[in-house]
Amino acid sequence: SQTIHQWPATLVQPVGSPLSLECTVEGTSNPNLYWYRQAAGRGLQLLFYSVGIGQISSEVPQNLSASRPQDRQFILSSKKLLLSDSGFYLCAWMRDRPNYGYTFGSGTRLTVV
Amino acid sequence: GENVEQHPSTLSVQEGDSAVIKCTYSDSASNYFPWYKQELGKRPQLIIDIRSNVGEKKDQRIAVTLNKTAKHFSLHITETQPEDSAVYFCAASNQYNFNKFYFGSGTKLNVKP
Repeated sequence: SQTIHQWPATLVQPVGSPLSLECTVEGTSNPNLYWYRQAAGRGLQLLFYSVGIGQISSEVPQNLSASRPQDRQFILSSKKLLLSDSGFYLCAWMRDRPNYGYTFGSGTRLTVV
Repeated sequence: GENVEQHPSTLSVQEGDSAVIKCTYSDSASNYFPWYKQELGKRPQLIIDIRSNVGEKKDQRIAVTLNKTAKHFSLHITETQPEDSAVYFCAASNQYNFNKFYFGSGTKLNVKP
């Protein structure tokens, strides 16, 4: 079966510290993968998407970066976190047709203090 | 790029009443419109979707309508129940352009018992 895993579930980090969030999918190959951020009480903002290994497209310029070192692995990183980076981060995988659509990971709640 | 606007931001209804959430989109190339329900602290879950070759779709108490000419689509929930309380997001996507979803800002629905 096809599943998506995201970790950690919660994270509290000090300002200026690095960040690494990981997302992996199982049961599919060459998936399109996405990172979204949801600030408190706000909508879903697309941060990065990837259509293949080493292929990253950035939607919003900021101090975050993404990498796709393996076909089914998508990583969100930062060298130095800002207070404004706090939020709920969601990884998503695009299912192929005929079941086209997103499946979201369980999310990571990041609090920068 | 695509811009999706969603209204209202909050909606409070009495149990048993109907709820309607409306979205507009800007890119006429968008051809797939899903709706997601997000309960507090959880991942968004797909509840219904509609493609641009269809004007209306129903699934039990929920329905979605699409007006391509006006570029708007709506979610209708009938006979609301307390468990319908959640944040609802609309999204627009072009299935043939990197499959990115652009989300509305969300509607917090509160169903009062």
